[in-house]
Parts: sequence; C-alpha cells; structure tokens
Amino acid sequence: ETGVTQTPRHLVMGMTNKKSLKCEQHLGHNAMYWYKQSAKKPLELMFVYSLEERVENNSVPSRFSPECPNSSHLFLHLHTLQPEDSALYLCASSQVGLAGGRGNEQFFGPGTRLTVL
Amino acid sequence: QKEVEQNSGPLSVPEGAIASLNCTYSDRGSQSFFWYRQYSGKSPELIMFIYSNGDKEDGRFTAQLNKASQYVSLLIRDSQPSDSATYLCAENTGGFKTIFGAGTRLFVKA
Repeated sequence: ETGVTQTPRHLVMGMTNKKSLKCEQHLGHNAMYWYKQSAKKPLELMFVYSLEERVENNSVPSRFSPECPNSSHLFLHLHTLQPEDSALYLCASSQVGLAGGRGNEQFFGPGTRLTVL
Repeated sequence: QKEVEQNSGPLSVPEGAIASLNCTYSDRGSQSFFWYRQYSGKSPELIMFIYSNGDKEDGRFTAQLNKASQYVSLLIRDSQPSDSATYLCAENTGGFKTIFGAGTRLFVKA
C-alpha cells in the first residue's frame, strides 16, 4: 500500500447505527486530518492529530469521535448521525514543522462516501 | 476569518488553450500555497505548491504567487479534456491548518 488509504469507500447507515471510518498513511508523516466535503462547499476541517495528539477540533458535534492510536492510523467513530452528515469524508496527512513553512502539503486518501438514511 | 476566494466557474476553454485559474487569500501571514485537482467523485490531488513570489513551472502547469497583492494563480498550457476538473486553491500559515477555497470548475472542450 502506498500513500493514504481509507476504508470503507462507501457506507450507508441508519441514524441509530454505530460505524467507524479508518485511515492509514504510509508516508511517514507526523500529522493526520479528517475533513468533511459536502456538495458545493469548501473542505471543512474536522480534526487534526499530530504525533497522536489532537491539536485541532473545529467545533465538531460529539456524534463524531476521532481516535489516533499511532502516527499512521486514524479513525472516525460515528454514532447517531443525522441525514445532513451525509458527505464525502476525507483523511489526509502531512509533514508539519519544516523550516519556513515548507512541507505542509497534505495528501488525501480516496475518501469515504457516507450516506445517512 | 481567514479566507481563500475562488471564482466557482465554470471556466470553459477549448482544447489546446491556456486555462487561467485565480485565487485570493486574506491572511498576510500565509507562507505556503497549493493547488489541488479534484475529479468528480474523487479526492483532491496535489498538483502544485509554491512558497516564493514569482513563477514555478512543472510541465504544463505554472503557479504564480504575488504576496503583495495576495493572489495566487495556476496556468494550464495546452489544456486537454482530461484537465476538466475542479481546482482547489489552498494556503497554510506554517501550522497545522490549511485553508481551502471552494474550487473553480474547469471544462476543456474537445
């Protein structure tokens, strides 16, 4: 496997279900991200982890719960979602902290297309 | 509120022409700028990054950065139908947060 992988690629769930999204990066990066992308809207940053510590939480509802067990893996646990949570969920990774802001390029996984019924 | 502004388009150009995509940003502290290409139903793919004022060329792509005017642009030479996609502009101030624009849709007509 290379780059950033995500599973599952598609997920349909009811509002009472619990599911998890998984992301793995094979790039040796020190930061991982969850984004939500809804139709015709900019990417919305949800969570950022650096070296397994959460460094950013953008007022995301508690029905989304991230987990970062190590620097290569990131999960997004989902429970009691709403239909408006249907979107493309993207994981990304980057190498942060290089001099002059260099680096920081984020590389995205293929995404999970989530539909909440 | 830090913002990255892009014209949503669609921008339509004939095959073989130069496509010019523009982006403005509000944070004067921004250090790094990125262009991503996103095909319909796919995830964003990094195609260019630029840190210094001026031009940076990579194949058919040229990124241009003007920090005084706070704009960054992407030129695509010899546009191909396969270049039809949404192009996202993004900026980073050196930390964890990268701000993305909403994207410009490009159509290249064969």
